[in-house]
This record gives sequence, structure tokens and C-alpha cells, in this order.
Amino acid sequence: EPEVTQTPSHQVTQMGQEVILRCVPISNHLYFYWYRQILGQKVEFLVSFYNNEISEKSEIFDDQFSVERPDGSNFTLKIRSTKLEDSAMYFCASSETYTYGYTFGSGTRLTVV
Amino acid sequence: AQKITQTQPGMFVQEKEAVTLDCTYDTSDPSYGLFWYKQPSSGEMIFLIYQGSYDQQNATEGRYSLNFQKARKSANLVISASQLGDSAMYFCAMREGDTSYGKLTFGQGTILTVHP
Repeated sequence: EPEVTQTPSHQVTQMGQEVILRCVPISNHLYFYWYRQILGQKVEFLVSFYNNEISEKSEIFDDQFSVERPDGSNFTLKIRSTKLEDSAMYFCASSETYTYGYTFGSGTRLTVV
Repeated sequence: AQKITQTQPGMFVQEKEAVTLDCTYDTSDPSYGLFWYKQPSSGEMIFLIYQGSYDQQNATEGRYSLNFQKARKSANLVISASQLGDSAMYFCAMREGDTSYGKLTFGQGTILTVHP
């Protein structure tokens, strides 16, 4: 079964450092998403991406965040200057046009120290 | 106002029994989709079941069924014949609009514990 692949599975970074979280969506999917889950809390939408541009973003997705699809397969989330409160599990997801399914990756656990 | 409400922080069930996890939603959009995801302790999000707002029948997927009561705006997940492996966090989520894509809004989740 096709998978969404996220790397790394766990990243520890110092406050103020930049991090890039990487995702490889399912190859024939056209819509890509990033979600965040602070430990023990609900999953929150960050951003959706279609046709090489952001289609929707939440109020969480401020200027320190950016997304990119640098080539035909990768989809990245960059956090420019990490804060302690950015510590969370970050999920990438992708979906197709004509089905209702969203496939989530296994997540990257980001720890900011 | 919360768009998705899961009022049960935790639920317990005996193995082989059925359990219902509650979910209510709030939207003014006539077209929407409702989803349930399972999140085991390993952290991944596993899709369980989907219900469209215009679907006449309640969705079923194996041991999972969705009790969809549109007038009450509820979409409860029923797990029949619970297994130890069902112990996990369960999230209800909604997508608004008549597209098959778009952001999901999640509830707070319910932790289900299955006892042997």
C-alpha cells in the first residue's frame, strides 16, 4: 500500500535554530498538508499546498514557517527560528482529487531544547 | 466555538465487547465529510472510516461503524468486538465543503483502553 514517508522520525534542535522536516507524499496525490500535534493534545492544521502554492494556512502558520516542494517528490516544512513551543509531532499528509482519503505519514517528533 | 467535540477524554471496555466513542460537530456548510482516525502509542495516524454528509447509509468498515445522526450533528464511532490492539487514541475529524480535499479539523481525542 502506498505510504507517505517522513524524515527524520525524531529531531532535537536548539532554540533559535532552523529545522527542515521532510515528507515524500504518495506519488499520484496532488494535495499536501502539514499538521502539528503538541504532546497529548489534538491534531492542528498548519498548511495545505496545491499546484506549487499554499492553498490555505492556519493562524499558527506564521512567518517563521514555510513550505516548499523543491522537486517532484519531496514536500518540506521549514521552521526558521525554533521556539520551545514548537516542540510537537509534525505530520505530513497527502490526498487525491477524487477520493476522500487522506494518508498521513508516521510523523516527525521535533524537540526544541 | 469548537467545530468538533469529543466529550470522553477516556473510555474503558472489556475485550470482545462493543464500545461507542462520541463525536459531535458544528458546521453551517451543507456539504462536509466526517472521519475517524486511530493513533496508537507509536504515534502514527491510521484512517478508520469516513462518512459524507449526503450519504444515506451509515458507513461501516469491518468492526468499525459510524452512527451518523445528521439532525443531531453527531458521528459516533462504534467498535464491535473490541480487541486489545484497539487500545489507542481516537480522533474524530471534519472536512467542510464539497471537495474531496481541504483541511481536516480534529477533535480533542478519546483514549480507549481495552481490558482483557
